[in-house]
Amino acid sequence: EAQVTQNPRYLITVTGKKLTVTCSQNMNHEYMSWYRQDPGLGLRQIYYSMNVEVTDKGDVPEGYKVSRKEKRNFPLILESPSPNQTSLYFCASSWDRTGNTYGYTFGSGTRLTVV
Amino acid sequence: ILNVEQSPQSLHVQEGDSTNFTCSFPSSNFYALHWYRWETAKSPEALFVMTLNGDEKKKGRISATLNTKEGYSYLYIKGSQPEDSATYLCAFSDRGSTLGRLYFGRGTQLTVWP
Repeated sequence: EAQVTQNPRYLITVTGKKLTVTCSQNMNHEYMSWYRQDPGLGLRQIYYSMNVEVTDKGDVPEGYKVSRKEKRNFPLILESPSPNQTSLYFCASSWDRTGNTYGYTFGSGTRLTVV
Repeated sequence: ILNVEQSPQSLHVQEGDSTNFTCSFPSSNFYALHWYRWETAKSPEALFVMTLNGDEKKKGRISATLNTKEGYSYLYIKGSQPEDSATYLCAFSDRGSTLGRLYFGRGTQLTVWP
């Protein structure tokens, strides 16, 4: 089954403790992206990757890092999480940046709470 | 950051009612308009991708239209069913420096009562 797999689904952590949210897709998509969803706001892009070793900042990159060492994986790293990073996170992938062929495929989401 | 507005913010209808929502976006440099359906505790799923002015797409009881000259898209649901309850997101991209990058609206939350 074609899918984007995110782990974990839920995570509660403490301020300053480094964490990684994993994202993997099995569709050979070139484009991958991370979003955060906060109440009253639309999905906001954190980082994106056009292909292996090609990443760039989205609208809200502060406090996050990413890497794209393999085509299928695009982990999101929070080096020193803070409470304002409490949010619902989605990973998404598509054939290209536009997603105009079939739209974006989203992962199941990670609800992160930083206390 | 490009502004994408969706209205209404939420909508409650009875089973069998037909309904529609609006997505407004900048009309210059249009590239594409996406609609996604997002059910609670699930991930957003693509409904439609539209790229041409006047595009109309249909999937079962759900259809969408696009007017790029005036900068809006409508999503219609005919004969709403409880399983249509979800948040409907639209996302816009333009031909500017961030070609193809999607900007999402805040969504319209639809609740269909049996």
